Amino acid sequence: AQSVTQLGSHVSVSEGALVLLRCNYSSSVPPYLFWYVQYPNQGLQLLLKYTSAATLVKGINGFEAEFKKSETSFHLTKPSAHMSDAAEYFCAVSGNTGTASKLTFGTGTRLQVTL
Amino acid sequence: KAGVTQTPRYLIKTRGQQVTLSCSPISGHRSVSWYQQTPGQGLQFLFEYFSETQRNKGNFPGRFSGRQFSNSRSEMNVSTLELGDSALYLCASRSGGSGATDTQYFGPGTRLTVL
Repeated sequence: AQSVTQLGSHVSVSEGALVLLRCNYSSSVPPYLFWYVQYPNQGLQLLLKYTSAATLVKGINGFEAEFKKSETSFHLTKPSAHMSDAAEYFCAVSGNTGTASKLTFGTGTRLQVTL
Repeated sequence: KAGVTQTPRYLIKTRGQQVTLSCSPISGHRSVSWYQQTPGQGLQFLFEYFSETQRNKGNFPGRFSGRQFSNSRSEMNVSTLELGDSALYLCASRSGGSGATDTQYFGPGTRLTVL
């Protein structure tokens, strides 16, 4: 079974500071990994995804993530936080099951950005 | 292109009633998945429909069912509602090509409250 673990349910950073949200995965097959963001009262928006093409993945809004197989990690980073980044972030894994698709999500990390 | 739309956005029901939620995928997408989001259990996969066939199913009781129409629109039904069914129900669509790597695009969700 595949799973992801997000370390830290709440992360607080100052505006302009580095954002680091942690995600570790467990998978017996090559994983496909995703980061989604959820703003209050909204659905999920894809930030970026890893599908084995490149280990460093760049996404929207200045976010990027690096796939590290040796550490089974896929941490999300942004060099400089902005107030508009305050939201909940979810890491997810999708297994290689042919044409079927099922996302297994982590428990989420709420990012707070302070002045 | 219009995004994934879900109706209604908010719903209040009482225990024992049944409810039907609707999802219209992005034009051209053939796959629709449903997820339940609660504070206690997080984001959990309900089922996926592809070309009118249920392709994948999560671990939910039979009270939760769904269907997909020939135009790819999908409905989800919950019968004999329980208090624990109160949640945000999210619908996601994808093109239906390469399952695991396909991006799932989420709608804004339907907030169901069971009294």
